Amino acid sequence: AQSVTQPDIHITVSEGASLELRCNYSYGATPYLFWYVQSPGQGLQLLLKYFSGDTLVQGIKGFEAEFKRSQSSFNLRKPSVHWSDAAEYFCAVGEDNAGNNRKLIWGLGTSLAVNP
Amino acid sequence: GAVVSQHPSWVICKSGTSVKIECRSLDFQATTMFWYRQFPKQSLMLMATSNEGSKATYEQGVEKDKFLINHASLTLSTLTVTSAHPEDSSFYICSARVSRHNEQFFGPGTRLTVL
Repeated sequence: AQSVTQPDIHITVSEGASLELRCNYSYGATPYLFWYVQSPGQGLQLLLKYFSGDTLVQGIKGFEAEFKRSQSSFNLRKPSVHWSDAAEYFCAVGEDNAGNNRKLIWGLGTSLAVNP
Repeated sequence: GAVVSQHPSWVICKSGTSVKIECRSLDFQATTMFWYRQFPKQSLMLMATSNEGSKATYEQGVEKDKFLINHASLTLSTLTVTSAHPEDSSFYICSARVSRHNEQFFGPGTRLTVL
C-alpha cells in the first residue's frame, strides 16, 4: 500500500537558519508529490508539487523540494527561515483511486517552531 | 487563486443531533470534492470523495449512513454527521478540485464538538 513517512514530528529552528523537512514515500509508479502548509485558523496551502520533469521544484514563500527517486524522498528546504514559517507541514503523494479520482495519501506532518 | 469556504467554522451540538457542514468553491467549478477528518496533532484522513451529481465514494471504515455527503452542484458539497456522538468530535476539512490533473484547494476546516 502507498504510504508517506515524515520522520520528524517536531522541529525547532532559529530564525534565519536553514530548514530541511524530510519526506519519504512508498509508491509503485511515478508519484505525484506535494507539500502543504497548515497554519492555525487557515486552510491547507499548497507550497509546491512535483509531477514530472525537473526534480528540483520551486514553490511559494521561498521553499523548494527535490525529488530523489533512488531514495524515494521529496525533502522540503528553505535557506533562511522566517518566524512566520512556524506551522504544520504535510507531505502527500497522489494516487489513483477507483474512478481515477487521484486521492492524496498524507504523512503525519512535521510541526515547525521558529525561535527568534 | 481558487478559494474554498466552509460553513460553519465551528459548531457545538448535543449528542444525538445531526450537523450539516457546507463546502463551497467560490471562484471555480469543482467536479470533485473531498472530505477529510483530522484529529489533534495528526494527519488528514480521507473520508470520502464526491463527484458532482453522483454518489460519494467512501473510504474503508467510514460509515456512509452516518456521514452523509451530497454534491448537488459544481460549487457546493455538504457533509451531514447524523446522530452525532462525542467520538465524532473532530476537525473536518473539505477540498475541491477542477479535474483529476489539478491540485486540491482546501477549505479552512470546521471544528465539531459533540457534547
